[in-house]
Amino acid sequence: LAKTTQPISMDSYEGQEVNITCSHNNIATNDYITWYQQFPSQGPRFIIQGYKTKVTNEVASLFIPADRKSSTLSLPRVSLSDTAVYYCLVDAVGFGNEKLTFGTGTRLTIIP
Amino acid sequence: GAVVSQHPSRVICKSGTSVKIECRSLDFQATTMFWYRQFPKQSLMLMATSNEGSKATYEQGVEKDKFLINHASLTLSTLTVTSAHPEDSSFYICSARGQGESSYEQYFGPGTRLTVT
Repeated sequence: LAKTTQPISMDSYEGQEVNITCSHNNIATNDYITWYQQFPSQGPRFIIQGYKTKVTNEVASLFIPADRKSSTLSLPRVSLSDTAVYYCLVDAVGFGNEKLTFGTGTRLTIIP
Repeated sequence: GAVVSQHPSRVICKSGTSVKIECRSLDFQATTMFWYRQFPKQSLMLMATSNEGSKATYEQGVEKDKFLINHASLTLSTLTVTSAHPEDSSFYICSARGQGESSYEQYFGPGTRLTVT
């Protein structure tokens, strides 16, 4: 049973806000939600992590509803350099479960 | 932020030879390191988890005698692909989990592109 479900791909124009939603219906109480970005031939890069409600940092926002069965990564005013694969992961943090399980990810293409 | 390096960044080897890939945590001590493999257009697949000073734990379907992992210090883990074959050609990525307050976050290396001819 997949831990997370994301759209396989998305396209957006430069300057727009992009929202990528991830479903995680079986999220456990101890699980956190983490998003990573990966460019071709590079390792994943941490974007943002949250447990509930809203988290914002300098590059993105993460919206998590009260039931935590989904989450939305929001990228404000995207540019061509945001073209990448975005992975949503749910895993326990600090409770002995150390493995990260990557799903299929969302391939985001920014159009000029 | 924490930095993880890998060496080499890319390697080409002949079928039947062995290749060693190094993963280093440059500015923190990594109690746990992970090795992933990624084929083109696919997601990352966890191969094994290694804890400093102990044997690695391999994921189901990963041959431990073919992919030798050594985690001899808190800053270095190595993956050796023994008797490599063309089907072992892939992108190998390591990650490291630190100690203390940042132990919840994994830091990924830049990856190593292995091509077996």
